[in-house]
Amino acid sequence: NAGVTQTPKFQVLKTGQSMTLQCAQDMNHEYMSWYRQDPGMGLRLIHYSVGAGITDQGEVPNGYNVSRSTTEDFPLRLLSAAPSQTSVYFCASSYASGLHEQYFGPGTRLTVT
Amino acid sequence: AQKITQTQPGMFVQEKEAVTLDCTYDTSDPSYGLFWYKQPSSGEMIFLIYQGSYDQQNATEGRYSLNFQKARKSANLVISASQLGDSAMYFCATLLSSGSARQLTFGSGTQLTVLP
Repeated sequence: NAGVTQTPKFQVLKTGQSMTLQCAQDMNHEYMSWYRQDPGMGLRLIHYSVGAGITDQGEVPNGYNVSRSTTEDFPLRLLSAAPSQTSVYFCASSYASGLHEQYFGPGTRLTVT
Repeated sequence: AQKITQTQPGMFVQEKEAVTLDCTYDTSDPSYGLFWYKQPSSGEMIFLIYQGSYDQQNATEGRYSLNFQKARKSANLVISASQLGDSAMYFCATLLSSGSARQLTFGSGTQLTVLP
């Protein structure tokens, strides 16, 4: 049981490049989400999914796309990277119902130059 | 909209002493959960403790306890017998049960330093 895994751990992009951050969980959780953490701030929600085939926007969705084709995977796509997207990205998952703990992945540190 | 406030950007505590980290929240939802997470310098988010809005007793998990005062909308984290390994950033977060956007809303965090 690996929990929530994220790849890569570190990434450097040039402005305008695109890439996909991978997230997978093996706990059969219905709910998955992506957060970004900027210096001196808490985590902010980018996108989330309440189940396969269902996604929705969070607080800061601009510049990012997501899809949820399987229960296990929830990739985050940066369409055209900008320096403002330099951040640490966390993926999280939880059970679908009730008020449950969210399990976090180890994070991806992204730098856009 | 819900809001979480952590008013202490940084805190110092002597090893083996207790420390309280403050957290206030603002929500009109009758059902919600309150979480505390620890983020050490290595960066991962570690779940510490959870309090449901309808829980009658304050949550405890080992050396962590949550001082939940619903009327004041506060959910302070108490760490007893501090250890050097407790030095980290601590985040309070709230989760609403209503609506499809069951998202954690985080405070800005408190950096705790445990002194030897």
